[in-house]
Amino acid sequence: EVQLVESGGGLVQPGGSLRLSCAVSGFTFSSYWMTWVRQAPGKGLEWVANIKQDGSEKYYVNSVRGRFTISRDNAKNSLYLQMNSLRVEDTAVYFCARHYSRASDYWGQGTLVTVSS
Amino acid sequence: QSALTQPPSASGSPGQSVTISCTGTSSDVGGYDYVSWYQQHPGKAPKLMIYEVSKRPSGVPDRFSGSKSGNTASLTVSGLQAEDEADYYCNSYAGSHNWVFGGGTQLTVL
Repeated sequence: EVQLVESGGGLVQPGGSLRLSCAVSGFTFSSYWMTWVRQAPGKGLEWVANIKQDGSEKYYVNSVRGRFTISRDNAKNSLYLQMNSLRVEDTAVYFCARHYSRASDYWGQGTLVTVSS
Repeated sequence: QSALTQPPSASGSPGQSVTISCTGTSSDVGGYDYVSWYQQHPGKAPKLMIYEVSKRPSGVPDRFSGSKSGNTASLTVSGLQAEDEADYYCNSYAGSHNWVFGGGTQLTVL
């Protein structure tokens, strides 16, 4: 059974940092692009970042480029999102997802990040 | 990276069909056959319903179908059922390894 489990969310002050993790099982992690998608409270989905199978390519939405870093550890079957210089508008549920055929076919349950003073 | 345009709401009675549109530009929806659709129930993770414009993942009922014409993609739900009531989001490749979602459509089964 494919499973993706996010962790690391919480309350952080503006300007602070947080590292999200996504532990995966049930498929060969190293064979897939992975992605982070976020959803602000009561709002729609927003693509955040993608990472290639071997971590050699990473892409970001403009609003987080330079502040967020996506990474992965294929030996640990884990995906990460390092978030620095956090802003109030980064408040959202962050989902990790497997990328397949130009879509995200399996998703985690999400982890809530709240940026507030 | 502007969001794709979806109607905020749509509705239909059980057994009827409803179509949700997703309008972009020639730089995203119109430029690639990489449109996907997601269903999201309140408090849940999104679920992939359609990928590459019209393909259905295993396990998704054939009541769900997708299409595209020019810069507009569409999701049609036939034979509406109560459990289809949810938010639906379209997504498209936008070039240069960028992806963009629509604003979402709340589907109500009357």
